[in-house]
Amino acid sequence: SAVISQKPSRDICQRGTSLTIQCQVDSQVTMMFWYRQQPGQSLTLIATANQGSEATYESGFVIDKFPISRPNLTFSTLTVSNMSPEDSSIYLCSVDRPSLQETQYFGPGTRLLVL
Amino acid sequence: QKEVEQNSGPLSVPEGAIASLNCTYSDRGSQSFFWYRQYSGKSPELIMSIYSNGDKEDGRFTAQLNKASQYVSLLIRDSQPSDSATYLCAVTPGGSYIPTFGRGTSLIVHP
Repeated sequence: SAVISQKPSRDICQRGTSLTIQCQVDSQVTMMFWYRQQPGQSLTLIATANQGSEATYESGFVIDKFPISRPNLTFSTLTVSNMSPEDSSIYLCSVDRPSLQETQYFGPGTRLLVL
Repeated sequence: QKEVEQNSGPLSVPEGAIASLNCTYSDRGSQSFFWYRQYSGKSPELIMSIYSNGDKEDGRFTAQLNKASQYVSLLIRDSQPSDSATYLCAVTPGGSYIPTFGRGTSLIVHP
């Protein structure tokens, strides 16, 4: 099983600022995924990040607001730009499980509060 | 928009009882179905997957799939207080490899 770590685990930020969340996996993976989970809501996929190519964003999410980097097969970052209180959420990175198709391992999450 | 619907609960059951969690989905072409458990303040973890109609049992957990009726359920036998968590249903729509998640059902198992 993959071990996934995220930094920071939580943060409180002022509106208008940006926060970069890091996701590190202990093994090489082809795809990494970034999700948002707002209070009382389901997990919503923000984007899929493949190494060496542009991230693929889901409807309602744009690169200017959520730029993603994927410099290698074990690491990715998600930046939440020009934050507003509506961005307060849990941000989760995940990787798919090669032994069980279409299922995912999730990182511990980053709890973000924007004031 | 492919949708996955769950009753948000909370579902409260006494210790030792059977907890029944239900999920419906909109895409008839869906082929893969999952249940994740999420403890408060933690990230989701996969507990069951099911791909064909019928029942699949794993310990105290049984997943049931009925594609004709477009629902999937999770039964937890001999419920324990440690089963108290939010259970997320996830369905992979046809033509996709990424699951769509429901909002989750909160389960409370009281002693």
